[in-house]
Amino acid sequence: DAGVTQSPTHLIKTRGQQVTLRCSPKSGHDTVSWYQQALGQGPQFIFQYYEEEERQRGNFPDRFSGHQFPNYSSELNVNALLLGDSALYLCASSLVRSSYNSPLHFGNGTRLTVT
Amino acid sequence: AQKVTQAQTEISVVEKEDVTLDCVYETRDTTYYLFWYKQPPSGELVFLIRRNSFDEQNEISGRYSWNFQKSTSSFNFTITASQVVDSAVYFCALSEAQPGGYQKVTFGIGTKLQVIP
Repeated sequence: DAGVTQSPTHLIKTRGQQVTLRCSPKSGHDTVSWYQQALGQGPQFIFQYYEEEERQRGNFPDRFSGHQFPNYSSELNVNALLLGDSALYLCASSLVRSSYNSPLHFGNGTRLTVT
Repeated sequence: AQKVTQAQTEISVVEKEDVTLDCVYETRDTTYYLFWYKQPPSGELVFLIRRNSFDEQNEISGRYSWNFQKSTSSFNFTITASQVVDSAVYFCALSEAQPGGYQKVTFGIGTKLQVIP
């Protein structure tokens, strides 16, 4: 039973560049959420996708966008990278029908460094 | 707005000592869920326990136990006879129902636990 997989594991980008991170949810899950975890901080909610649409969004600028594909996998795109975007980006999957009582299943994350 | 406070940023204990990690939350909802997750150095958050707002029964799972007190909005986590493998960052999290039934989880800042052999 495959868990949540994310790629790449590490990424180094320059300010102003654009980046795409990828996530495959746990088998059987239909909902993907993205979180940003800065060093020494807790994960911060970016957005959540279900049925290929963004359903909820946290306090992140429009430079952060996403997509969900018919196979439930998802991408996170960040444009015009800033130094402050350096963080661990975590993908989490769940089942929408379990609603808000469902534990999130996380991937190992993508460590993004912006120089 | 929902908020989770973990006042202890770092704790060090000697192996076999007991340790309690504190969590205080704020919410306007009467129905919500609380979670604890463990984050080892590998980065993946691992789910430990879930508790709903109507169930104040304490829970024990092996060396782990959880104390939920709605009156003080606290959901504390105790590790008995700590082991080196318990060294990790532990996050408390709060989930409230959102419009449409979707999930939005708020995490605390985390408590880094170091168990010294």
